[in-house]
Amino acid sequence: GENVEQHPSTLSVQEGDSAVIKCTYSDSASNYFPWYKQELGKGPQLIIDIRSNVGEKKDQRIAVTLNKTAKHFSLHITETQPEDSAVYFCAASIDQKVTFGTGTKLQVIP
Amino acid sequence: DTGVSQDPRHKITKRGQNVTFRCDPISEHNRLYWYRQTLGQGPEFLTYFQNEAQLEKSRLLSDRFSAERPKGSFSTLEIQRTEQGDSAMYLCASSLRAGGSYEQYFGPGTRLTVT
Repeated sequence: GENVEQHPSTLSVQEGDSAVIKCTYSDSASNYFPWYKQELGKGPQLIIDIRSNVGEKKDQRIAVTLNKTAKHFSLHITETQPEDSAVYFCAASIDQKVTFGTGTKLQVIP
Repeated sequence: DTGVSQDPRHKITKRGQNVTFRCDPISEHNRLYWYRQTLGQGPEFLTYFQNEAQLEKSRLLSDRFSAERPKGSFSTLEIQRTEQGDSAMYLCASSLRAGGSYEQYFGPGTRLTVT
C-alpha cells in the first residue's frame, strides 16, 4: 500500500518567516495530494490540495509543489503568523483512499 | 452547509463495553469515511461508504468494529468489547463524488478513552 513520509516532525519559525514541509510518497498511482491543518482538539481542516497533473498551486500565503518523477511534494507558507501554529499533515490519495503522513508541528514565534 | 458533525465528542468507557459513534456528513455529500487517529500520528483510514454501500474496509477494522450508513445519510461506528488499544480519536469525513471532486472534509472527531 501507499506510504507517506513527512519531514520535519517539528518546526519553529519566527513570525514573518517562511515555513517549508516536505513529503514523499511511494505509490506512483497516487493522483491527489491534500494538505490538512489540525488544531488541538479539532478535526483536520483542508487548506490546499494539488492533483497529479499540476506541478504547483498557490493560494495567498500557501503554496504546494509536486514532483511526480521524484514522488515529492511540499507545502510552503510565507509570512507566517502566530495563527498558523498547528499540526500540518500531508496526504496522498488513490481513488479517494487517503494515506496521511505523520504530521509536522509548526510553531510560529511572535 | 453546517459541516460534518460527530457525536459524542468524548466518550469514556470501561474495557469490554460496547460503544457507538454517530457522524452526520455535509448534506449533499454521498461519500462518508471513518478514520482513526492516535496521539502524534496522522489519521488512518478505516472504511468508507458511497451512499449506503460500504465499499472498502481497512484491515485495521477488526471483527469488533462495524459501520453502517442505513439510508445513505448519517453513519454509525460501533466498537464491541472495547480494548485499551481502541483508545483514539475517531474521525469522520465526507466528500461529494461528482465531476472529479476529491476533497474530503472532516468532522471534529470523537475521542474515545477505554479504561
